[in-house]
Formats: sequence, C-alpha cells, structure tokens
Amino acid sequence: QKEVEQDPGPLSVPEGAIVSLNCTYSNSAFQYFMWYRQYSRKGPELLMYTYSSGNKEDGRFTAQVDKSSKYISLFIRDSQPSDSATYLCALYTGGFKTIFGAGTRLFVKA
Amino acid sequence: DTGVSQDPRHKITKRGQNVTFRCDPISEHNRLYWYRQTLGQGPEFLTYFQNEAQLEKSRLLSDRFSAERPKGSFSTLEIQRTEQGDSAMYLCASSSPGTGGTDTQYFGPGTRLTVL
Repeated sequence: QKEVEQDPGPLSVPEGAIVSLNCTYSNSAFQYFMWYRQYSRKGPELLMYTYSSGNKEDGRFTAQVDKSSKYISLFIRDSQPSDSATYLCALYTGGFKTIFGAGTRLFVKA
Repeated sequence: DTGVSQDPRHKITKRGQNVTFRCDPISEHNRLYWYRQTLGQGPEFLTYFQNEAQLEKSRLLSDRFSAERPKGSFSTLEIQRTEQGDSAMYLCASSSPGTGGTDTQYFGPGTRLTVL
C-alpha cells in the first residue's frame, strides 16, 4: 500500500465549477499537509499548507484535513482555465522527508 | 530572479554516458533536496542536504548516483553509466526550516533527462 493515494484523473470541469481534489494516507505520523500545483514541464509550486485537522482558506482555494479519516482535500471555487494543471498533495512528518501523491490532472474548459 | 535554478533544462544522452546536473538554491536556504519525477507520478525523494552535509539518501539512489553540495551552496547530481530507466525529470528544491516545524520547499524548473 502506498503511503499516499491520489486519483490521477484527469478531471475535466467547465469554467466556474467547484473542483474537489482529494488524497488519502496511511501514516498517522504525518503532521503537515500541503498542496502543490504543477504546470506542464515546470516544477511544483506550493499553493497551501495546513497543520493538523481543520480548514484553511486562501482566496478561491480551501484546504481541508481530516486526520481521523486520514483524508485531505483541496477545493477550488470559481475555477478558471488558468487553474488547469496537475495538483499534488504532499505530506510531511516534521523531519526532512516529504511524500508526494501521484497528482491529479485538472482541465478547466472555457 | 531569486528562485531555485537548475541547469541544464534538458539533457539527451546515450546509454552508458555520464551526466551531471546543477542546482542553485535560494541563497538563504540551508536545506536542499533532489527528487526524481516520472510521467504521471509525483516527485520521489532522492537525497537531502543540510548545508554541505548529505544527511539522507533514498534506497532509490543506486551507487551510480552521487550528489554533492560543496560549501553548502549549489549542488550537483551526477549519474554514471546512464540507463534508459534513468529517463525522468530531476527536480531540485530548497527550504529553510520555518516556525512551527514547517518545511516549505521551493522547487526549480527541473532538468529533463532522456537516455537513448
């Protein structure tokens, strides 16, 4: 079993839709939960990080962590074509090693 | 531009050749990471430096791979006797430990290696 499971998609939505991206994990030692966005042929860029359970909002993006279910989500409101990218969840125990999900490819159609 | 830079951006080589990649991290960051990413997968951890010390290497990193970070600044990743399975994007990231235990990593654009 992989430490982090993420549906690779692709996920295709119309412009303006609410997008829900999810990851599940198995190691309860993970304390920090991050979402990265990666455009084609570019390096990942950090979108959001959260510590412990709960919600965190930043503009059109909301990150949600449920540690009891080992489930994390990223919601994108009012999705735009410029949001089309691969979204990677990433989990960190507080040492040095970050574990990435496989990424979900998102397409937002104009 | 004060972000992480990597050179070259693309490298095509023949099987059996040696290749070397360079990463220049954000100047004030003391942590540096190398990852490998293949199509449809997330980045896989290869190795980690804190300043000039290489503190961890993944079991994925065979003895054909070596990384250095002299003087705790830029880093190089060398692959000897390349194999077709080494074809991937090699990503470098840097960070500086934050408050509360976070470790926000900033990634470079990557070096795409193709082994023919």
